[in-house]
Amino acid sequence: EPEVTQTPSHQVTQMGQEVILRCVPISNHLYFYWYRQILGQKVEFLVSFYNNEISEKSEIFDDQFSVERPDGSNFTLKIRSTKLEDSAMYFCASSEGSYTEAFFGQGTRLTVV
Amino acid sequence: QKEVEQDPGPLSVPEGAIVSLNCTYSNSAFQYFMWYRQYSRKGPELLMYTYSSGNKEDGRFTAQVDKSSKYISLFIRDSQPSDSATYLCAMTTLTAGNNRKLIWGLGTSLAVNP
Repeated sequence: EPEVTQTPSHQVTQMGQEVILRCVPISNHLYFYWYRQILGQKVEFLVSFYNNEISEKSEIFDDQFSVERPDGSNFTLKIRSTKLEDSAMYFCASSEGSYTEAFFGQGTRLTVV
Repeated sequence: QKEVEQDPGPLSVPEGAIVSLNCTYSNSAFQYFMWYRQYSRKGPELLMYTYSSGNKEDGRFTAQVDKSSKYISLFIRDSQPSDSATYLCAMTTLTAGNNRKLIWGLGTSLAVNP
């Protein structure tokens, strides 16, 4: 069964460093998303991406964040100059259409120290 | 008032019990309502998807939406130990443009004991 895969499963980084979280969406999907879940808090939408551009983003997704589809298979989330409060589980998801089911990856746990 | 409220539990039931999970919400513009299941160390997995009010059944699972009360429920019949997970409700407006801008509940942790 096709699935969304995320790497790494756990990333530890020092405050102020840049991190890149990687995702391989399901191959025939056209819409890609990033969510995050801070420990003990709700899942939060970060950004959606379609046709090589951001289609929607939340207030959380400020200039510190960027997304890219560098090739035909990967979808990345870059966090510049990480802060302690960026520590969270980051989920990538993809869907065929904007109103069809989104499939989630298993998440990358980011720990900023 | 928070946009979506969900009791985090934990909820512990014996195998075979009927489980009732609930969320309340404040935004009357929400039209799409979803229930996700999340196993430990995994991403959320869509269980049920309901548009507007009414009931939807899928096997042992029934989702109910009462828009007049701003209340949604997920019922699990004949619960199994494999149902042990966190259940998250999520919802969005019809005009969100992209229904991935979901508003999530905190999730309810369910344990079904053999």
